[in-house]
Amino acid sequence: AQSVTQPDIHITVSEGASLELRCNYSYGATPYLFWYVQSPGQGLQLLLKYFSGDTLVQGIKGFEAEFKRSQSSFNLRKPSVHWSDAAEYFCAVGARGNKLVFGAGTILRVKS
Amino acid sequence: KAGVTQTPRYLIKTRGQQVTLSCSPISGHRSVSWYQQTPGQGLQFLFEYFSETQRNKGNFPGRFSGRQFSNSRSEMNVSTLELGDSALYLCASSPTSGGTYEQYFGPGTRLTVT
Repeated sequence: AQSVTQPDIHITVSEGASLELRCNYSYGATPYLFWYVQSPGQGLQLLLKYFSGDTLVQGIKGFEAEFKRSQSSFNLRKPSVHWSDAAEYFCAVGARGNKLVFGAGTILRVKS
Repeated sequence: KAGVTQTPRYLIKTRGQQVTLSCSPISGHRSVSWYQQTPGQGLQFLFEYFSETQRNKGNFPGRFSGRQFSNSRSEMNVSTLELGDSALYLCASSPTSGGTYEQYFGPGTRLTVT
């Protein structure tokens, strides 16, 4: 069965510092991978997706992610974090049809 | 284009009652999926509808049901509410089924069962 692991429940970074959120997946075939962000009381906003091709994908708000098949990872990165990036981030893998299997999420705190 | 809309945004119900939540997908999108989000279980897939047919179903009891109309709008129904059904219910729309398109989420309906 498909699964997604986000090892870090909480991460705190200083404003202007770089960020990396980890995501490991389990899936038999070539995965469709996604990162979503959720602000308090809001729905999920898609940051970026990987379907195939270039393993480094660019998303909105200056985020990027790198797909590494050998490590079953799809880590999210941002070179310089802004206070407005504080939110919860979810990694997801596409399963059968449009079903998404989500990780538990990582809460990002940004300190000034 | 307008985004995914969900109504109502907030709902308070009593144990044993039933509830219906509504989701209007992005114009032109024909697939609607539903998810339950709780602090303990996280985001869990409920079901997906495409062209008025349920295409996929998650591991939830039969009290959870849904349907889709010809205009792609979808409703989900929860009967005999339990305290554990308190959650944020999110719907997501996509142009088609098959997983090759991204899904766009609505703001959710916050259901509280007392």
